[in-house]
Amino acid sequence: KAGVTQTPRYLIKTRGQQVTLSCSPISGHRSVSWYQQTPGQGLQFLFEYFSETQRNKGNFPGRFSGRQFSNSRSEMNVSTLELGDSALYLCASSFDPAESPLHFGNGTRLTVT
Amino acid sequence: DQQVKQNSPSLSVQEGRISILNCDYTNSMFDYFLWYKKYPAEGPTFLISISSIKDKNEDGRFTVFLNKSAKHLSLHIVPSQPGDSAVYFCAASGVSSNTGKLIFGQGTTLQVKP
Repeated sequence: KAGVTQTPRYLIKTRGQQVTLSCSPISGHRSVSWYQQTPGQGLQFLFEYFSETQRNKGNFPGRFSGRQFSNSRSEMNVSTLELGDSALYLCASSFDPAESPLHFGNGTRLTVT
Repeated sequence: DQQVKQNSPSLSVQEGRISILNCDYTNSMFDYFLWYKKYPAEGPTFLISISSIKDKNEDGRFTVFLNKSAKHLSLHIVPSQPGDSAVYFCAASGVSSNTGKLIFGQGTTLQVKP
């Protein structure tokens, strides 16, 4: 069974630009969550989508948004990039978080210059 | 306010000995706890979990203990192997809320020396 796939693995963007990250969950998984990892803040929850609906949202500004498609694939968008958005963005999927753990992809390393 | 804390940034043990990683939490609404292992340039890998109705869960060399009154959990690795060297994250959630929101600790870097 293929794991969680995130593309691209690396991105370099300039301040003020926007970026879209993609996540393909494990086949059959309906829940997709996004996390940001930085050295100072650790792993922080961004949002979760379940059956195309945002079910929960973390404490991030509105510049961070996401969506989920009918095939459970998810995208995350960050607009008006800031230097502080440089981080590893991780996607995780689960059939149902109430019953099974999250399985993470290898992340997208975003660098904002 | 850090709801999940791993107070030891690093731990070094000898191969074959026991590794004990600790985690404290403050939110009494947490009822599901997980441990993840992370290698550089990879995403976290799920190791083991425990729900609040249990106080112990074992899976091979890994055992997680939960002390609800102390709001403390620990991960025991016996015997430790060099391949266990990684960053270990403790995470918690209110599983009754049925969401994929995990609160992570800051991680403990484990080094197992041959």
